[in-house]
Amino acid sequence: SAVISQKPSRDICQRGTSLTIQCQVDSQVTMMFWYRQQPGQSLTLIATANQGSEATYESGFVIDKFPISRPNLTFSTLTVSNMSPEDSSIYLCSVEFGSDYGYTFGSGTRLTVV
Amino acid sequence: GQQVMQIPQYQHVQEGEDFTTYCNSSTTLSNIQWYKQRPGGHPVFLIQLVKSGEVKKQKRLTFQFGEAKKNSSLHITATQTTDVGTYFCAGRWITSYDKVIFGPGTSLSVIP
Repeated sequence: SAVISQKPSRDICQRGTSLTIQCQVDSQVTMMFWYRQQPGQSLTLIATANQGSEATYESGFVIDKFPISRPNLTFSTLTVSNMSPEDSSIYLCSVEFGSDYGYTFGSGTRLTVV
Repeated sequence: GQQVMQIPQYQHVQEGEDFTTYCNSSTTLSNIQWYKQRPGGHPVFLIQLVKSGEVKKQKRLTFQFGEAKKNSSLHITATQTTDVGTYFCAGRWITSYDKVIFGPGTSLSVIP
């Protein structure tokens, strides 16, 4: 299975600022996925990041708020822009290496906005 | 829309008792995956079910996919404290095959 390195693991940020989360995979993958998980809740897909094209955003998520970069097949970033306390959550990146192996998740970024 | 429901939301069992969580979709699924998330951890893939009526076992865990491919279940026999966590099903539909949608999860507590 793949190894995914995600950083930072946690951060406390002031409202109105932005945070960029990085996700590095140890092998090449076509698609990378960004999820949000609020405390005690399920995982909500934010967007799918393909290398060489713009990310595809799910309903309720927009590029201006969550810009994503995918410069190559092993790396992606998610930026949470103009943060408010409602953005406090855990953000996870994920990849699928083949449908038989399911999704592998990074360890997550716990974001607190004050 | 595409969503999966899961029941129960919470389950508290005595160690040694059995546990079952159920997952349901209103539309036919292409396949379904199950994940376990330990407290403070990230989701970890357990299994994928693809075929109608499929049953798979992993030690004390038994996974079933309904004949109509609209529901699934995870059964744990003789729970142990190591089973504590939240169990999520995640559905995939043929119309959106490049992603899965996670159910709300069932949080399992095991009382020693």
